[in-house]
Amino acid sequence: KQEVTQIPAALSVPEGENLVLNCSFTDSAIYNLQWFRQDPGKGLTSLLLIQSSQREQTSGRLNASLDKSSGRSTLYIAASQPGDSATYLCAVTLGGGADGLTFGKGTHLIIQP
Amino acid sequence: DAGITQSPRYKITETGRQVTLMCHQTWSHSYMFWYRQDLGHGLRLIYYSAAADITDKGEVPDGYVVSRSKTENFPLTLESATRSQTSVYFCASRRPSSYNEQFFGPGTRLTVL
Repeated sequence: KQEVTQIPAALSVPEGENLVLNCSFTDSAIYNLQWFRQDPGKGLTSLLLIQSSQREQTSGRLNASLDKSSGRSTLYIAASQPGDSATYLCAVTLGGGADGLTFGKGTHLIIQP
Repeated sequence: DAGITQSPRYKITETGRQVTLMCHQTWSHSYMFWYRQDLGHGLRLIYYSAAADITDKGEVPDGYVVSRSKTENFPLTLESATRSQTSVYFCASRRPSSYNEQFFGPGTRLTVL
């Protein structure tokens, strides 16, 4: 059974710092990996999707990398801002059909002004 | 572009009652999913559907029933609600050729007393 782990569970940093969130998965035969952001009491917003054949994806100040062989992904946030405060979730899927996502428990991020 | 809507957003019910959570998407995505989010467990897949009239169980299907008579709707029914079904429920959808990128609704917070 696929398991997804996110470290750290919580992180608090001053505004302006660059930071890295980690995600690991036990079954390397993934189809893709998706990073989400969740604000308190809200739904999930898709940030980045990395296909299994890709090494990284970038969107603005966000960069996600994928190393399938080691079962790891990182989400890099550059020049953090208070508006980046949220819970960040990593999720993987094994297939390209109707397979659902397997989620990590998230990293709760606080950016201090 | 309304995307995915869920109703109700909040629901309080009693043990043993039947409850139906609604999910509607305006994209005509063929794939739809139901997840529940609980502290300590993260998000877990309940049921999914590849198309109208095609549904299948996810990781935690017990106590739930789904139907999909129309592509845009995917209701989730708790036949006899239990306290352990107190949770936040999220509906999601994806296109067939989008590398399984999923888009989520705002969620329904259900409390079973």
